[in-house]
Amino acid sequence: SQWGEENLQALSIQEGEDVTMNCSYKTYTTVVHWYRQDSGRGPALIILIRSNEREKRSGRLRATLDTSSQSSSLSITAAQCEDTAVYFCATDAYQGGRALIFGTGTTVSVSP
Amino acid sequence: EAAVTQSPRNKVTVTGGNVTLSCRQTNSHNYMYWYRQDTGHGLRLIHYSYGAGNLQIGDVPDGYKATRTTQEDFFLLLELASPSQTSLYFCASSDSGTGGQDTQYFGPGTRLLVL
Repeated sequence: SQWGEENLQALSIQEGEDVTMNCSYKTYTTVVHWYRQDSGRGPALIILIRSNEREKRSGRLRATLDTSSQSSSLSITAAQCEDTAVYFCATDAYQGGRALIFGTGTTVSVSP
Repeated sequence: EAAVTQSPRNKVTVTGGNVTLSCRQTNSHNYMYWYRQDTGHGLRLIHYSYGAGNLQIGDVPDGYKATRTTQEDFFLLLELASPSQTSLYFCASSDSGTGGQDTQYFGPGTRLLVL
């Protein structure tokens, strides 16, 4: 498998809290994608971080990438109920870089 | 915003039945992908293509055929459907380049039930 064992399956938090999910991978990658999937919809990219970047921010989202430990994290600051979704990481260490391999996803539930 | 559409959105068939899932993208993307999504497995790649007439095998191709007839259209064929193929199927597309480095745009999914 491409993925490490510490990728969490589910997180439950309350509005206003911060949350971080981790993704560790086993094969060198040049890019880590983070996708979000809302119930009943297809995944949508929220952050893409490349191997020459250590951190990337987008609004309340922050992604980090540590190529030495082959791990990435996604943090949501001051979570809102609308952040409830499944979050996937994906790397391009697959099919000669022409395709992504997705992790199993982390379900984040934000309650009022 | 890239547009990827899928049809049908829901499909029920019987074991041994013949099913075709359709995907169309209108953004002139070179790469198109078919995934299946199952609980506990995330998204798994079935087949993908980087142009009309091209087909590449993914991670879980057994029991599936695919055909890319045009830049826009990519079809997934289940010629002898089995209950193990009951799943949620997604199509995605991405721009030229290395495929894995580019944003993938997903369709809304097709839910398939094989009885």
